[in-house]
Amino acid sequence: ELKVEQNPLFLSMQEGKNYTIYCNYSTTSDRLYWYRQDPGKSLESLFVLLSNGAVKQEGRLMASLDTKARLSTLHITAAVHDLSATYFCAVEYDMRFGAGTRLTVKP
Amino acid sequence: KAGVTQTPRYLIKTRGQQVTLSCSPISGHRSVSWYQQTPGQGLQFLFEYFSETQRNKGNFPGRFSGRQFSNSRSEMNVSTLELGDSALYLCASSLALGDSPLHFGNGTRLTVT
Repeated sequence: ELKVEQNPLFLSMQEGKNYTIYCNYSTTSDRLYWYRQDPGKSLESLFVLLSNGAVKQEGRLMASLDTKARLSTLHITAAVHDLSATYFCAVEYDMRFGAGTRLTVKP
Repeated sequence: KAGVTQTPRYLIKTRGQQVTLSCSPISGHRSVSWYQQTPGQGLQFLFEYFSETQRNKGNFPGRFSGRQFSNSRSEMNVSTLELGDSALYLCASSLALGDSPLHFGNGTRLTVT
């Protein structure tokens, strides 16, 4: 059975700091997705990673995919409060989601 | 362009009853997926429909069923409701092509008492 594991599950950061969220998955997949969910809101697509070595950046967020290691990372650069949310990765097969990383950015 | 619309937004039902949730996808999207979100289990995949056919199904009991109509609108039905069915039910649509991500609706919050 496909497993998608994210870590950490909870992350409290200071503004201005950098950090990385990891997403490991247990089966071969060439597509991985990152979503953001604000409290009480629905999910919003951030990145679609389609192949090994894919890297995408939007503002202070950068996502990468290593299909051989079955690992995707979401790197946060110089965090700001507006980035506080829960971040999910999802693997194409059944669009299986990780448990989510709840990020809190403190001033 | 209108987003994914789910109705109703909130629903309160009693154990043993049944419920039908509705989802209208983004115009042109032919794939509709349903998810259950709870604090304990996270986001769990229920099923996916494409052109009126169920393409994929998650690990839920047969009390959970769905269908898709020719206009891509989808409904999800839960029969014989249990307390554990209380959750946020999210519908998502996509083009199901290449790099198309899921576009989520705001969900239906179901409470079973």
